[in-house]
Amino acid sequence: QVQLQESGPGLVKPSETLSLTCTVSGGYVNSYYWSWIRQPPGKGLEWIGYIYDSGSTKYTPSLKSRVTISVDTSKNQFSLKLSSVTAADTAVYYCARGNKLFGVITWGQGTLVTVSS
Amino acid sequence: DIQMTQSPSTLSAFVGDRVTITCRASQSISSWLAWYQQKPGKAPKLLIYKASILESGVPSRFSGSGSGTEFTLTISSLQPDDFATYYCQQYNSYWTFGQGTKVEIK
Repeated sequence: QVQLQESGPGLVKPSETLSLTCTVSGGYVNSYYWSWIRQPPGKGLEWIGYIYDSGSTKYTPSLKSRVTISVDTSKNQFSLKLSSVTAADTAVYYCARGNKLFGVITWGQGTLVTVSS
Repeated sequence: DIQMTQSPSTLSAFVGDRVTITCRASQSISSWLAWYQQKPGKAPKLLIYKASILESGVPSRFSGSGSGTEFTLTISSLQPDDFATYYCQQYNSYWTFGQGTKVEIK
């Protein structure tokens, strides 16, 4: 059974870059959409983007200029970088695995990232 | 980009009630729609994919229908474990989530 685990700093300063990593266990980082989704406290889910086919990426238009998602197949991990963060980027960040048939199949447990000085 | 609109935002119901949540897409997404259940402090859980296919292990009281731009999630007899927030998601073109529907105890 595939499991996902997010890791990274829980506190990021305004204007800096948020960096998170998702480690995949029980499966391999290929043949699926590997995604990042976030949820601000008390609010709904927002899709950030995904990487697929070992390197192609799609990002939500509102964040596209600040987001980079990459994959490291040797470590079975994929990563999120979000630049120039503000308090509005404070959220629980989920990594997720999906495909064209199911949507999101597997979710990580989520990690809270707070943007504050 | 495709916008997803759920209604209602909040729903109050009794145990045993039949509950329906609606999700509308801003353009046709064929049947590429999923429904998720989320409980406080937890990651969402997939309930239904491709608009009407029940994910393995999900109780049969959950059902989904629709295609194109109009979709519904129905819980035939609400159980105590079903009080949660429900999200629709289109995956026809990129991904977009609805804003969520919170199902509360009446």
